[in-house]
Amino acid sequence: DAGVIQSPRHEVTEMGQEVTLRCKPISGHNSLFWYRQTMMRGLELLIYFNNNVPIDDSGMPEDRFSAKMPNASFSTLKIQPSEPRDSAVYFCASSLRGVAGELFFGEGSRLTVL
Amino acid sequence: AQSVTQLDSQVPVFEEAPVELRCNYSSSVSVYLFWYVQYPNQGLQLLLKYLSGSTLVESINGFEAEFNKSQTSFHLRKPSVHISDTAEYFCAVQGAQKLVFGQGTRLTINP
Repeated sequence: DAGVIQSPRHEVTEMGQEVTLRCKPISGHNSLFWYRQTMMRGLELLIYFNNNVPIDDSGMPEDRFSAKMPNASFSTLKIQPSEPRDSAVYFCASSLRGVAGELFFGEGSRLTVL
Repeated sequence: AQSVTQLDSQVPVFEEAPVELRCNYSSSVSVYLFWYVQYPNQGLQLLLKYLSGSTLVESINGFEAEFNKSQTSFHLRKPSVHISDTAEYFCAVQGAQKLVFGQGTRLTINP
């Protein structure tokens, strides 16, 4: 059974460019999470969807960040315009039972903004 | 609101030695507790969880954690570590529809 699939695995871009990260959750999971991991701040929840609806987006840093989940099998996290401080590893995770269930993480997308 | 404190950012130990990774939490509601492990260049994986019942929970690879309500702790232990246990370990607490992760503890095993 395929796990959570993220793309791209690595992205290097220049400041000001638009970045789109993609995630395919595990089939049948009804909750999807986007996390950001940095050395300084650790693991931060950016946004949490349940049944494709954003439930908690209080962690989205600012208007430059947006996330969508148009259907149960696909989500995107977009940064426009990107800044060097956005450099991080972005993880997508999915679960069967929201925050009470086991989270299954993808392998992450490592973003470097020059 | 919940919070999680992992008291050690790094723990170096020798192979076959015992280890304890400490985790304390605070919450005004009942909680579920988790330990996740992150191997190099990978995402996090669930190691073990406490939902209810026995306060001692075990993983398949020899780790165990004990929920101590009076001390609001959920420390992770292993009696004898292996090189393959080298990873970062995250404690997490779930309550009131929020899941909060600690800052992580990097476990390094020296031969």
